[in-house]
Amino acid sequence: EMQLVESGGGLVQPGRSLRLSCAASGFTFSSYWMHWVRQAPGKGLVWVSRINSDESSTSYADSVKGRFTVSRDNAKNTLYLQMSSLRAEDTAIYYCVRPSYSNSYFDFAYWGRGTLVTVSS
Amino acid sequence: NFLLTQPHSVSESPGKTVIISCTRNSGSIASNYVQWYQQRPGSVPTTVVYEDNQRPSGVPDRFSGSVDTSSNSASLTISGLRAEDEADYYCQSYDNNYQVFGGGTKLTVL
Repeated sequence: EMQLVESGGGLVQPGRSLRLSCAASGFTFSSYWMHWVRQAPGKGLVWVSRINSDESSTSYADSVKGRFTVSRDNAKNTLYLQMSSLRAEDTAIYYCVRPSYSNSYFDFAYWGRGTLVTVSS
Repeated sequence: NFLLTQPHSVSESPGKTVIISCTRNSGSIASNYVQWYQQRPGSVPTTVVYEDNQRPSGVPDRFSGSVDTSSNSASLTISGLRAEDEADYYCQSYDNNYQVFGGGTKLTVL
């Protein structure tokens, strides 16, 4: 069974850093692009970042560019999101998401349960 | 970069048909596939339409997607509305460097 399990969320002060992880299982992780999507409480879905299967290509939403870094360890089947200079507006549930097809990035077919990040003093 | 604009909310009675629109503000709606996601309260999103008009297995044929280049918009049509269809619906598309979600539409089944 395919699973995506996020971890690393929590309460963090503005300006500090946090690293999220997403443990993947049940599929060939190294063949898939992966995304991070976030959802602030009571708000809509917002794409955050994506990374291709061999980590040679990454993209970011303008709101996080220069502050967040996506990476992956295919040997550990794990996706990461390093978040720095955190702001109150980064408060959200962060989801790890896999597209439908290997070597494709255009959709969001499989979602983890998410991890909550709260940025507050 | 482009935006996808959806109505904030729609409502309709059980058994009726509702159409949710998703308008792209720049670039052609036909240039990249549009997907639609359903998110019920407390749950993660699930795909109801992908590649403009394809339904994943398990999604009833009451759900259908279309694209209209004249209005540069995509639409999700839900027919034979049921109480269980009450949820938030998001359209989504992409370009070479960005993925974009619409703001979401809250569907209320009266």
